[in-house]
Amino acid sequence: EAQVTQNPRYLITVTGKKLTVTCSQNMNHEYMSWYRQDPGLGLRQIYYSMNVEVTDKGDVPEGYKVSRKEKRNFPLILESPSPNQTSLYFCASHDTGLNTGELFFGEGSRLTVL
Amino acid sequence: AQSVSQHNHHVILSEAASLELGCNYSYGGTVNLFWYVQYPGQHLQLLLKYFSGDPLVKGIKGFEAEFIKSKFSFNLRKPSVQWSDTAEYFCAVNEQVTRMLTFGGGTRLMVKP
Repeated sequence: EAQVTQNPRYLITVTGKKLTVTCSQNMNHEYMSWYRQDPGLGLRQIYYSMNVEVTDKGDVPEGYKVSRKEKRNFPLILESPSPNQTSLYFCASHDTGLNTGELFFGEGSRLTVL
Repeated sequence: AQSVSQHNHHVILSEAASLELGCNYSYGGTVNLFWYVQYPGQHLQLLLKYFSGDPLVKGIKGFEAEFIKSKFSFNLRKPSVQWSDTAEYFCAVNEQVTRMLTFGGGTRLMVKP
């Protein structure tokens, strides 16, 4: 079954405590991305990756890091979380063919930073 | 930079009412267009998509959308909504050259039984 898997699904942490949200896809997609969803703001892209070892900033990259060492995994790292990073995070993947662009989303990770 | 506007942030309808959600984008080049739906507590799922050809596209659950290039619009419609259509709907636009996908701010639809 085609899947994008995120962990953890829910996390409460404190300011400054480093955390990583993992994302894994089993569809051999080249393109992966992270979004955050906030009320009234829709989905905003944090980082994306076109392929292994190729990452780039999205619209709201400040405070986040990513890595793409393997095709299937694209972890999101918050080195020093702050309360304004409290949000619902989605990982997504898709094929990079020109006429695709359909995203497959993970279930979401709800993060609260106190 | 590309922008996608969904003018209705909240819509409340009674069952059997007709639905039209607006979506406008700013990019003048070739685009792919999508509507995604997020049911309460779930992740986003593709509702329908337009790549080329007939500008009127049909999706799942009786939804359809019409691409009007001259108006930079891709409005979502459904003739008769059901309570189960209560969800948040997101329009998204993919620039074919840059492959960047931009989402609108979302429209939260509530259907009263």
